[in-house]
Amino acid sequence: GQQLNQSPQSMFIQEGEDVSMNCTSSSIFNTWLWYKQEPGEGPVLLIALYKAGELTSNGRLTAQFGITRKDSFLNISASIPSDVGIYFCAGLKSGGSNYKLTFGKGTLLTVNP
Amino acid sequence: NAGVTQTPKFQVLKTGQSMTLQCAQDMNHEYMSWYRQDPGMGLRLIHYSVGAGITDQGEVPNGYNVSRSTTEDFPLRLLSAAPSQTSVYFCASSFAGEQFFGPGTRLTVL
Repeated sequence: GQQLNQSPQSMFIQEGEDVSMNCTSSSIFNTWLWYKQEPGEGPVLLIALYKAGELTSNGRLTAQFGITRKDSFLNISASIPSDVGIYFCAGLKSGGSNYKLTFGKGTLLTVNP
Repeated sequence: NAGVTQTPKFQVLKTGQSMTLQCAQDMNHEYMSWYRQDPGMGLRLIHYSVGAGITDQGEVPNGYNVSRSTTEDFPLRLLSAAPSQTSVYFCASSFAGEQFFGPGTRLTVL
């Protein structure tokens, strides 16, 4: 099936450092979403991107919808211990009533205080 | 709003047993879906529904059945559990592509 290539697979950083992760695909997506999952919980939506080139921020998080519509990145500035978790990108290809998402395999983020 | 709720939170089954994982949402979303999450595999779509009475297969449907008799509920049935179905299962509902996830059901099949 459709795959999203998410990198890196894992990151170990010190508190206060900035973080960058990205997703690429061979196909075009109409929407890019970024989720965070903490242990024992379901994924929680962080940022949604709807337009090629769009740059959106949510507090210390910034995400961009690539101009080719085949990639997206997420940046976290000045990381803190509660940023720990798995971050997933997800792409949506079609509109209408069909909202099938394709997910990346996740980036595991560890923040050392 | 409770959002998306799932029950049970944990379940242990023996091979061959059947069970139903429950999912409900109170946001009046038309689109609902079931995923399984395994280490290193991310989230894989099992089945989805675009509205009451309409369901379709996702990426890994074998061994699972679904039905959607109401907008609110989307149960996932395992007819004969196998160890390969040991996983964490997430239900999600969607508005305009932004999917909202339940807390998950951790299933172990012995």
